[in-house]
Amino acid sequence: QSALTQPASVSGSPGQSITISCSGTSSDVGGFNYVSWYQQYPGKAPKLMIYDVNKRPSGVSSRFSGSKSGNTASLTISGLQAEDEADYYCGSYTGSSTWVFGGGTKMTVL
Amino acid sequence: EVQLVQSGAEVKKPGESLKISCKGSGYSFSSFLIGWVRQMPGKGLEWMGIIYPADSDTRYSPSFQGQVTVSADTSISTAYLQWSSLRASDTAMYYCARRSPLTDAFDIWGQGTVVTVSS
Repeated sequence: QSALTQPASVSGSPGQSITISCSGTSSDVGGFNYVSWYQQYPGKAPKLMIYDVNKRPSGVSSRFSGSKSGNTASLTISGLQAEDEADYYCGSYTGSSTWVFGGGTKMTVL
Repeated sequence: EVQLVQSGAEVKKPGESLKISCKGSGYSFSSFLIGWVRQMPGKGLEWMGIIYPADSDTRYSPSFQGQVTVSADTSISTAYLQWSSLRASDTAMYYCARRSPLTDAFDIWGQGTVVTVSS
């Protein structure tokens, strides 16, 4: 059960869009439509931003969207704002009540 | 308000035992899976294991199987993560998180418990 693969860092200017990828296998990302994304500010607990690949919990901005193709999922943040600067983690269900997370991506707003 | 409140920071010596807690409120604690997640200093999230409080069914990541024990006490709506013999490499922040009632994601997170293991 290896961690999902994410880029270490991404960056963008205010107003732009950025995409963070999350690569797995057919045993996790590719095998289930249960990919989720979490936002974490320094010193804070993670917050659920996307679930079931592309669904947003109540209260999460529509600027956040998710998608999946094969064994790779993606998180897109459109209309970047300074407050979006944070670490982002993908997660995937792997069956039999087990999960795996990605290594995390540091998103910087230039 | 649905929330998970974790126990406070711990400082322990190698070889000591430890049990940290995660108390749920605002929902039916027994009915939802509670998972534990490790975050080592400056590192990413690692899924450790999970428990279904209603029947204490537990699952572990292979990386943590045999290294920790997850348990729960439904009478006080509390889940636990414990070690029998701590190592310096157990130094980390530990989060508990509730599996969402809607899907296989974690919708409510505790504030985290810092565990420091040092001689």
